[in-house]
Amino acid sequence: EAGVTQFPSHSVIEKGQTVTLRCDPISGHDNLYWYRRVMGKEIKFLLHFVKESKQDESGMPNNRFLAERTGGTYSTLKVQPAELEDSGVYFCASSQVSPNYGYTFGSGTRLTVV
Amino acid sequence: AQKVTQAQTEISVVEKEDVTLDCVYETRDTTYYLFWYKQPPSGELVFLIRRNSFDEQNEISGRYSWNFQKSTSSFNFTITASQVVDSAVYFCALKGGAGGTSYGKLTFGQGTILTVHP
Repeated sequence: EAGVTQFPSHSVIEKGQTVTLRCDPISGHDNLYWYRRVMGKEIKFLLHFVKESKQDESGMPNNRFLAERTGGTYSTLKVQPAELEDSGVYFCASSQVSPNYGYTFGSGTRLTVV
Repeated sequence: AQKVTQAQTEISVVEKEDVTLDCVYETRDTTYYLFWYKQPPSGELVFLIRRNSFDEQNEISGRYSWNFQKSTSSFNFTITASQVVDSAVYFCALKGGAGGTSYGKLTFGQGTILTVHP
C-alpha cells in the first residue's frame, strides 16, 4: 500500500511569489489533514477535509492560504502571496473513517521563503 | 483548550543508555487519545503508539515502553538500551474523542530531539 505522498519535498521561493503544495493520501482514506511546523515549534493543525468538504479549517493562518481537495482525492495547499513567516515544514496526513485510529503522515514539504 | 508539553527540548545519551521522554497534557475532554510519533532525519512522521484515555495499562513494544498516568496527565516514553538509529525528533500528541472540543485534529508538543551517540 502506498503511503501519503507529498510534493515537492522542498521549495524555495521569494517573498510575494505563489507556491502550491500537493498531497496524495492513501487510497480510500476519506480524511485528509494539513499540519505545519514553523521554526522548530510545535506542529500545528491547519485544516481537515472529509472527502472534498472542509470539516475544520480553524487552523488556517490567514486568507493567503487556500486548500482544495478535488473530487475527494488529492489535495493542494496554495500560499499566495508567500511571506517570510510561512517558512516551515508542511505535513499532510490521512486516515480512514475514524481518526481515532491514528493518522499516516507524509514526509512533508519544506518551504523556505526568502 | 488542549495543550501538550514536552519539557525536554534536547536529550543526548550514549548508546545502550536508557532514556525517558516526558509528555504532559491538558484537556477538558473526558475521552481523548494520546500518540507518540518519531521523525527521523528523512522527515516523515512515523506513528509509534496510540493510547485512549480509558486504558491506563502501560505498554511495551520491544525496547520501547510507555507509561500513561492519568492522575498526573502524563504519557512518558522510555527507550531501553538506546541505539544510534533511535536518534530522531519525538513528538507527543493529543486528540479529543468524538464530541470533544478537538475531535479530528492532533495537538502536538514541541518535540524532543534525541541524539544517541555511539
